Amino acid sequence: DAGVIQSPRHEVTEMGQEVTLRCKPISGHNSLFWYRQTMMRGLELLIYFNNNVPIDDSGMPEDRFSAKMPNASFSTLKIQPSEPRDSAVYFCASSLDLLGPNYGYTFGSGTRLTVV
Amino acid sequence: ELKVEQNPLFLSMQEGKNYTIYCNYSTTSDRLYWYRQDPGKSLESLFVLLSNGAVKQEGRLMASLDTKARLSTLHITAAVHDLSATYFCAALHNTNAGKSTFGDGTTLTVKP
Repeated sequence: DAGVIQSPRHEVTEMGQEVTLRCKPISGHNSLFWYRQTMMRGLELLIYFNNNVPIDDSGMPEDRFSAKMPNASFSTLKIQPSEPRDSAVYFCASSLDLLGPNYGYTFGSGTRLTVV
Repeated sequence: ELKVEQNPLFLSMQEGKNYTIYCNYSTTSDRLYWYRQDPGKSLESLFVLLSNGAVKQEGRLMASLDTKARLSTLHITAAVHDLSATYFCAALHNTNAGKSTFGDGTTLTVKP
């Protein structure tokens, strides 16, 4: 398996633009998580899905952030409009179930977002 | 609210030495995870600890869990340079399956 695939790897955008981050989970995994990592705030859980249904989006910082999972093999995280403080590394992770069985969650390579 | 504290945040070790990273969490949690992150890379799952007294070992790393003390430890034995990385612990929220809170990470540097 190719693991969790995220795109793009790097994104530089101007303030006010819309940004869409993409994630393809491991085939057969039923749970998908979006995290954000910054130096100031560390790793934060933004939202997670189970069987394509959003379960908890309480970590989404503002209404400018939205996430979808239209099918079992694809999820997006959208920021509109983007702001410089959104600059971070965004990770997608997937797992067989919400608890992350005996091996935990599998993380993608991340998308490094820079908003200028 | 579940809070997770790791210490130390930075650790510089000589090769061949032993050391322990501590992870304290503030409320009951039934599952504790340890991850490794190399600079500029993703997170790699190391251990999942499921019950009080659980101990897991992989190579020079050994993780343990004491749910009564709300403490997990990651012990490093005879450190080698390849272990240089940032190590995170994360605790699962008992009241919100799927939600984990991460510690701030311990950046380990192993010097020859």
